[in-house]
Amino acid sequence: ELQLVESGGGLVQPGGSLRLSCAASGFTVRSNYMSWVRQAPGKGLEWVSVIHSGGGTNYAESVKGRFTISRDNSKNMLYLQLNSLRAEDTAIYYCARDRWRLTGLDYWGQGTLVTVSS
Amino acid sequence: QSALTQPASVSGSPGQSITISCTGTSSDVGGYDYVSWYQQHPGKAPKLMIYDVYNRPSGVSGRFSGSKSGNTASLTISGLQAEDEADYYCSSYTSSTGYVFGTGTKVTVL
Repeated sequence: ELQLVESGGGLVQPGGSLRLSCAASGFTVRSNYMSWVRQAPGKGLEWVSVIHSGGGTNYAESVKGRFTISRDNSKNMLYLQLNSLRAEDTAIYYCARDRWRLTGLDYWGQGTLVTVSS
Repeated sequence: QSALTQPASVSGSPGQSITISCTGTSSDVGGYDYVSWYQQHPGKAPKLMIYDVYNRPSGVSGRFSGSKSGNTASLTISGLQAEDEADYYCSSYTSSTGYVFGTGTKVTVL
């Protein structure tokens, strides 16, 4: 069964850092495009970042230069490093698998909550 | 990249059909046939309902259908059921970054 499980969320102060993890099972992360999507409390979905099967990456303008997406092929894991965090980064962060090259996200994790507050 | 525009809410009675619009630009919705739709129930992760404008993943009810004209995509739910009450988001491939999502629509079954 295909599954995605996020972890690493928590409470962090403004300016702080956090690393989110996404454990994949039932498929190979390196063979797929993988995205992070976030949802602020009571708000809509916002795409954050993607890592291509070839290793290329893209970011939303709102996080460019602060967040870094990566993967560990040996562990079948996806990561999102969050630096210089701001209050507006407070959200549930979901990892999701692309069905094929940015044409739709067919499997999602349950999400992990990041709260940025002093 | 601005969010795609959706109506904030749409409602209908059981058995009726409703349509949700999703308006973008020629750089996203209008430029590519890569529009997808997601259903999200409270406290749950989003679920893919439509991809590539009108295709349904395996297991998604045939009551859900998608279409596109110019810069506007649409999701139609026919034979509305109580379980369809949820938030719905459109999304599109965009040449500038990756994905752009819509503002979201709350569907209420009266």
